[in-house]
Amino acid sequence: AQSVTQLGSHVSVSEGALVLLRCNYSSSVPPYLFWYVQYPNQGLQLLLKYTTGATLVKGINGFEAEFKKSETSFHLTKPSAHMSDAAEYFCAVRSNTGNQFYFGTGTSLTVIP
Amino acid sequence: EPEVTQTPSHQVTQMGQEVILRCVPISNHLYFYWYRQILGQKVEFLVSFYNNEISEKSEIFDDQFSVERPDGSNFTLKIRSTKLEDSAMYFCASSDQLGGEQYFGPGTRLTVT
Repeated sequence: AQSVTQLGSHVSVSEGALVLLRCNYSSSVPPYLFWYVQYPNQGLQLLLKYTTGATLVKGINGFEAEFKKSETSFHLTKPSAHMSDAAEYFCAVRSNTGNQFYFGTGTSLTVIP
Repeated sequence: EPEVTQTPSHQVTQMGQEVILRCVPISNHLYFYWYRQILGQKVEFLVSFYNNEISEKSEIFDDQFSVERPDGSNFTLKIRSTKLEDSAMYFCASSDQLGGEQYFGPGTRLTVT
C-alpha cells in the first residue's frame, strides 16, 4: 500500500529564505510522487512530479524536489521564498493501479515579510 | 488553459437530504475522480470513473454515494441521504491517461446541518 507523511503542518519562513517542506512516502512499488499547491479558495495545482529518470525534479514557480529512495523522501524546496508562495502544499503518491492518489495532510506555508 | 470547474462552490443542506455536486472535467480527459477533505484532515480518494463505469472506489464510497456522467461534459457526485459527517470539501479531478497527472477543480464545500 502507498502512503505519504508530511512533517510539519505549518512552516513559516522569511521572505528570501529557503523553503523546505518535508514528505516521506511508503510504497510497495516504485513510486510516482507529486507535489500540489492550493491557494486560498482555489483547487489543487500541480507543482511538480517524479515518475522515473532524473531524481531532481524542477517544477513551476522555482520549486524543486529530490527523490531519495534510500530515505524514502521527496522533500520540496525553493531557494528564496516569495510572499506569493504562501499556500497549502500537499505531497501525494500514486496508487499501484494508477486510479487514485494518496495525499499527505498538507503543510501550510507562511512567508513573513 | 483548460481547467476543471465545479458547482456550486458552497452547498448547505440538512441532514437526510440528497445533494448533487457537479463537475465539468477538462474536455479531452477520459478519467474522472472525486476526492474529499474533511476540515483539518487529509485529502481522501472516493472514486475513479472511466468509460462510464467506476474503476475503483474507497471504503468511504458506500451505497449513499453514486457518480454519473449524464452527458458529454458533466460528472456528478450524488449523496442520497447526507449525514453530518459528510461535511467536507469535495474535489473533482480528471486526467487524460491512467495514472497521469490529475487536474483538480476548486472544490465544493458541503455543509450538512
